Amino acid sequence: DAGVTQSPTHLIKTRGQHVTLRCSPISGHKSVSWYQQVLGQGPQFIFQYYEKEERGRGNFPDRFSARQFPNYSSELNVNALLLGDSALYLCASSLEDRGQAGTQYFGPGTRLLVL
Amino acid sequence: GDSVTQMEGPVTLSEEAFLTINCTYTATGYPSLFWYVQYPGEGLQLLLKATKADDKGSNKGFEATYRKETTSFHLEKGSVQVSDSAVYFCALIKGDMRFGAGTRLTVKP
Repeated sequence: DAGVTQSPTHLIKTRGQHVTLRCSPISGHKSVSWYQQVLGQGPQFIFQYYEKEERGRGNFPDRFSARQFPNYSSELNVNALLLGDSALYLCASSLEDRGQAGTQYFGPGTRLLVL
Repeated sequence: GDSVTQMEGPVTLSEEAFLTINCTYTATGYPSLFWYVQYPGEGLQLLLKATKADDKGSNKGFEATYRKETTSFHLEKGSVQVSDSAVYFCALIKGDMRFGAGTRLTVKP
């Protein structure tokens, strides 16, 4: 079975631009979460979606937004990019909803560089 | 808020040495606990998990026991290999998933 897939794998943008990152969960998984991993640090939670509804939001500015589609794939959008947005963006899927402590399975990530 | 603290790295060991990476957590209630591993240039892979006190997670020779009394989930392996070189993350989930800062392990032949 295919794991979590993300696209693109790498991306270079300039300050002020916007970016859209995509994620396809493991088949049958209805929950998708997004994380930002800055070099040398652990992943930081950005959003969780379950059944197309936002279930959780981390401490990120409104420039960050996301959505989940009927097929459970998801997009993360970041507007007005800043240099500090350069990071590895990870998507994870799970069977369970927020609060059910399910195992999350991670994709390979999208590495974003903002110049 | 809920958080995870890992021992600072990097850790460098010789092949076949014993490994311990310390992890403690702060959380209300009883979170599930995880160890993830990240190889260079890759995403996170689940290594093992434990969902309640005194549970022991194990995989590929790695073990960790959920200790409620010490709020710890230390990762151990009896004999490391060069291929174990990676960054290891301790994490908890109770709502959101919270990760430690990661511990880089290098195993030398």
